[in-house]
Amino acid sequence: QVQLVQSGAEVKKPGASVKVSCKASGYTFTSYGISWVRQAPGQGLEWMGWISAYNGNTNYAQKLQGRVTMTTDTSTSTAYMELRSLRSDDTAVYYCARVGPVDYWGQGTLVTVSS
Amino acid sequence: QSVLTQPPSASGTPGQRVTISCSGSSSNIGSNTVNWYQQLPGTAPKLLIYSNNQRPSGVPDRFSGSKSGTSASLAISGLQSEDEADYYCAAWDDSLNGRVFGTGTKVTVL
Repeated sequence: QVQLVQSGAEVKKPGASVKVSCKASGYTFTSYGISWVRQAPGQGLEWMGWISAYNGNTNYAQKLQGRVTMTTDTSTSTAYMELRSLRSDDTAVYYCARVGPVDYWGQGTLVTVSS
Repeated sequence: QSVLTQPPSASGTPGQRVTISCSGSSSNIGSNTVNWYQQLPGTAPKLLIYSNNQRPSGVPDRFSGSKSGTSASLAISGLQSEDEADYYCAAWDDSLNGRVFGTGTKVTVL
């Protein structure tokens, strides 16, 4: 069955960077893209961007341009999302999801930004 | 900020039918398909409806979706206590060149 397993919770200081991983299994990794979505505490869902696992093409949300980088490692079927220059309002649960008519989500990774 | 508008809350008694609306524009719902997600507390969103009205395997047929123009709806018939959750609509937005989510609706089973 399709599974996306994300890395563990992180605590970072303002100005630092975080890199969250998302390991996929149960399907051909390069056949689907991976999107990233975040959810601040008590808030709704925010789309961050998407990466093609086939050719590495990316499409980032405008508000995160310049601070976010999404990559994939096809040898390990793992996607990564790096967010730089962290601020307190980046505190959120970060989700990866396999893109497709039917999407599958990872369990989420809590990133806390606090001094 | 959310581009798709949903009512903040909806409620019903067990067995009732509840409908959640999702209002968008010509650049999102008006020209692209809509997905619906259910999010139980402390868990990842779960896909309920894709391509406006299709249910993934395992999703009960109590859940149904529809779309008309720039709006979409999710209906839950035969409401059950385990349906108490947050529900979100989502669609691609051609103007923003990105995916947009609804504001979310909290469903309470009275």
